Amino acid sequence: IAGITQAPTSQILAAGRRMTLRCTQDMRHNAMYWYRQDLGLGLRLIHYSNTAGTTGKGEVPDGYSVSRANTDDFPLTLASAVPSQTSVYFCASSDSSSTGANVLTFGAGSRLTVL
Amino acid sequence: GQNIDQPTEMTATEGAIVQINCTYQTSGFNGLFWYQQHAGEAPTFLSYNVLDGLEEKGRFSSFLSRSKGYSYLLLKELQMKDSASYLCAVRDSNYQLIWGAGTKLIIKP
Repeated sequence: IAGITQAPTSQILAAGRRMTLRCTQDMRHNAMYWYRQDLGLGLRLIHYSNTAGTTGKGEVPDGYSVSRANTDDFPLTLASAVPSQTSVYFCASSDSSSTGANVLTFGAGSRLTVL
Repeated sequence: GQNIDQPTEMTATEGAIVQINCTYQTSGFNGLFWYQQHAGEAPTFLSYNVLDGLEEKGRFSSFLSRSKGYSYLLLKELQMKDSASYLCAVRDSNYQLIWGAGTKLIIKP
């Protein structure tokens, strides 16, 4: 089934540890995104990539890094996790274009708890 | 600053009609989206409006007024499976999506 796969589904992490959230899509979408979702807040963009080899900072990039070595994979790394990074993380992709709806397809999410 | 406002929670009865409003103030406008998100799941696309007026898709319709910075999502013949959060998002002049916090819709029998 075409879509986005995220791993892990859930993780409890000690503060200060390094963590990588994995995201893989098989739709050959150009653009990929990482969002975090916190109670009472809208989805907030962390980092994005318009095409393989390029990345950009979103609204809340501090403490996170990404890479886009190929079209399919877009991992998100927390270099040294802090409790404020406790959240649900969604990876998304779109067949980006300058016109049209450019609908996002989301992965199932990764619930991260930093203690 | 950019802002998307929608009610936090709404309750409706199975079989009825409910309207979820969304008002926005953004730097430019390049389309408005509605997504549905069931608890513990990923958001899924419902509708897209870029021109004023009503877009109908089965039991769901979405309306846009750009001059008023206003949209609504209309759900007809409510079913229990419609219990979910509904997210409003606006694409600004930089083609970035600005998201509302979502409206949790509770359907009662």
